[in-house]
Amino acid sequence: DSGVTQTPKHLITATGQRVTLRCSPRSGDLSVYWYQQSLDQGLQFLIQYYNGEERAKGNILERFSAQQFPDLHSELNLSSLELGDSALYFCASSMPGTGNYGYTFGSGTRLTVV
Amino acid sequence: GIQVEQSPPDLILQEGANSTLRCNFSDSVNNLQWFHQNPWGQLINLFYIPSGTKQNGRLSATTVATERYSLLYISSSQTTDSGVYFCAVGRNRDDKIIFGKGTRLHILP
Repeated sequence: DSGVTQTPKHLITATGQRVTLRCSPRSGDLSVYWYQQSLDQGLQFLIQYYNGEERAKGNILERFSAQQFPDLHSELNLSSLELGDSALYFCASSMPGTGNYGYTFGSGTRLTVV
Repeated sequence: GIQVEQSPPDLILQEGANSTLRCNFSDSVNNLQWFHQNPWGQLINLFYIPSGTKQNGRLSATTVATERYSLLYISSSQTTDSGVYFCAVGRNRDDKIIFGKGTRLHILP
């Protein structure tokens, strides 16, 4: 167990639907990052939050949104789902300022859109 | 943005062999990490190494920041080393990191 918890582990849903992926960072980590891994695009950065505030945005679609709550857990919302959104979605956390900026990844949520 | 290139893309080795994986990046970075993605999909952080050399058991890594490359060494390979090895870099220490396409390593028993 890495200390980063992602739920659910698997999700199957239909096109046009909306889903919410949840991430609880490692205890004490203030930064949360979301990545999408697909076969053709590799690991793509989506968005970063630091202590509740959005810090950086990658190639995140307008249909996708995220937030980080006061307890530091984060949610990634995917709406109007398309077949191409099928992928593995990872969350990672880190604790900037401690000298070790290494990321710890959760086990991912595998999303299948049918 | 920063470009990350990893080589070789694929590597097949016999158990017990040594290997060197390379990561080249196109701009100066202050964050560089190596990860192993096992066959079950889990991403494990191996090293945070923006410069210098680190060792952890059979694995070691060296980053030469001024020449914009990093190397990951795996000695005495075991079948459990199979998977994909990713290098990821960030311009600043607490920035997002950008991943390379990875090196797929297959260790034969």
